Amino acid sequence: AQSVSQHNHHVILSEAASLELGCNYSYGGTVNLFWYVQYPGQHLQLLLKYFSGDPLVKGIKGFEAEFIKSKFSFNLRKPSVQWSDTAEYFCAVNAGGSQGNLIFGKGTKLSVKP
Amino acid sequence: DAGVIQSPRHEVTEMGQEVTLRCKPISGHNSLFWYRQTMMRGLELLIYFNNNVPIDDSGMPEDRFSAKMPNASFSTLKIQPSEPRDSAVYFCASSFWGLSRVSPHNEQFFGPGTRLTVL
Repeated sequence: AQSVSQHNHHVILSEAASLELGCNYSYGGTVNLFWYVQYPGQHLQLLLKYFSGDPLVKGIKGFEAEFIKSKFSFNLRKPSVQWSDTAEYFCAVNAGGSQGNLIFGKGTKLSVKP
Repeated sequence: DAGVIQSPRHEVTEMGQEVTLRCKPISGHNSLFWYRQTMMRGLELLIYFNNNVPIDDSGMPEDRFSAKMPNASFSTLKIQPSEPRDSAVYFCASSFWGLSRVSPHNEQFFGPGTRLTVL
């Protein structure tokens, strides 16, 4: 069965620190990959997505993610976090033929100290 | 577009009562998803529909839960009877699923959620 693993449950950083959140998936075929963000008390919003082409994807608010097919990974990065980045981040994968269903990871909570 | 619309935004009810949550997907989307989010279990997929047909309901916790999608613009999630452990935020999401293996439309758009409290 397909699965998505997010290695960090809770990450605490100071402002201006660099961020990398890990995401690995298990599926050998073509995948679409997503990162969603959920700010406190709000719903999930799309941060960025990968469908094909350049494996380095740039999203909103300075976030980017790199798809490494050989490692089945899609890690999220930001060079300098801000207090407003405090949120929960979810990695998700849509495998070919899954009729649009996304498999979500369990999420990583990011707390940024001012 | 108004996005995915859910109602009510908050619901407080007593154990044993019937609860109905409503969702209006984005116009033109043909897939609809119901999720439940709790601190303990995180984000769980309950059921999803393609073209109004339930595709996978394996995430529905038990027979007390039922979901319907009578048309492309409306879906309900019903809990009868409700229990305190059903307290959670319930999200509805919609997307467009195409036959193309690589589709730019598979991203899901989430509604604001319904916060359910069962006393």
